[in-house]
Parts: sequence; structure tokens; C-alpha cells
Amino acid sequence: SQTIHQWPATLVQPVGSPLSLECTVEGTSNPNLYWYRQAAGRGLQLLFYSVGIGQISSEVPQNLSASRPQDRQFILSSKKLLLSDSGFYLCAWSASGSSYNEQFFGPGTRLTVL
Amino acid sequence: GIQVEQSPPDLILQEGANSTLRCNFSDSVNNLQWFHQNPWGQLINLFYIPSGTKQNGRLSATTVATERYSLLYISSSQTTDSGVYFCALTHYTGANSKLTFGKGITLSVRP
Repeated sequence: SQTIHQWPATLVQPVGSPLSLECTVEGTSNPNLYWYRQAAGRGLQLLFYSVGIGQISSEVPQNLSASRPQDRQFILSSKKLLLSDSGFYLCAWSASGSSYNEQFFGPGTRLTVL
Repeated sequence: GIQVEQSPPDLILQEGANSTLRCNFSDSVNNLQWFHQNPWGQLINLFYIPSGTKQNGRLSATTVATERYSLLYISSSQTTDSGVYFCALTHYTGANSKLTFGKGITLSVRP
């Protein structure tokens, strides 16, 4: 069966520091991968999605970037964190081959920027 | 973009009661999912239901795509059902498979 991992689970970072969040998926090949952010406990917003290695699409302009160095690895980064980057970050995957397959979410990373 | 409205925003139930959660959307959809977010933030997949009716134990869901709504039914509610319920959907744009989420329904089940 497929599983999705995210780390770290929680992170407290000072403003201006760099960020790297990692997501890996097991049990499937060539998944579609997604990064979402949830602010204030409600409403998820899609940040990035990827349909393959090195292929990244950004949904909203922001202080963050994403990379997919391997088939089942998705990384969310920032060079300098802002206070507004605080939130709950969720990685998700879906099977490739269709744009409308069911999405499955990881456990999330709770980021606090001070 | 497509609009997703969930109602009611908050719901308080006594254990054992039944409830209906509603999701209205403004355009045709290709994918509709219901999630339960537990107190730790994990999003748990409940149903993938772009149309029709499905049942899983005490939970069932119905989507009437032509009328642009979906319903989640919870029967014999338990305290472990507490949390936030999200409806999320994908509208055909030919561009990507972005899930658009509603604002969620906060359910509290009291013992």
C-alpha cells in the first residue's frame, strides 16, 4: 500500500532563516505531488504541484519554492522566512494518468515563524 | 474560479445523534472528496464521490452533480467523529488537478 511521509512534524524558525520541508511517497511510481498550506486552522490552499521529476507548477506567488529531485520526493523551501509563512503545510499525492484522481495527504508540518 | 460552500459552519451533536453536512459548488466537477481533519491535523479520506452514493459504516455520501451539491451523512455519531469536515473538488480546466477546498464544518460530538 502507499504511504506518504513528511518531516519534520513541527518546526519553529526565526524570521529570515531558510526552510526545507521534505515529503516522500512509498508504494507508487510517478505520482502527482502537491504542497498545500492551511492557515488559521481552516481552508487549504494549493501552493505547488508536480507531475514529474523537475516539473513544478506554482499556484500563487509567494516566498516559497518547490523542487522534485527524485520521483517520489517533493521539497518545499524558502531562502528567508517571513512571519506570514507560518502555517500547517501538507503534502499530497495522487496517481498519475489522470488529473482527477483521488488525492491522499501526509501528516503535515506545523511551521511557526517568530 | 469555482466556489465551494459548506454548511453549517459549526455543528454540535449529542452522542448517538445523526447529522447531515452539505457542500454546494458553483460549477461542474470531475473530482469531489470528503475529508475529516482530526485534532492532530491529519486529513483522512472519507469518500471520493464525484457522483452517486457511497457508504462506509456509519458514514455515507451522496453527490448530485447536476444540482451541484454533495451531502455527508453521519449516523449514530461518536465523540471520535469530532473534528473538521472538508469538501474539496476539482473543476475541469484542462490545466491541472487542483483541489479547491471549502472552509470546513466543525463538528463537536458531546458524550
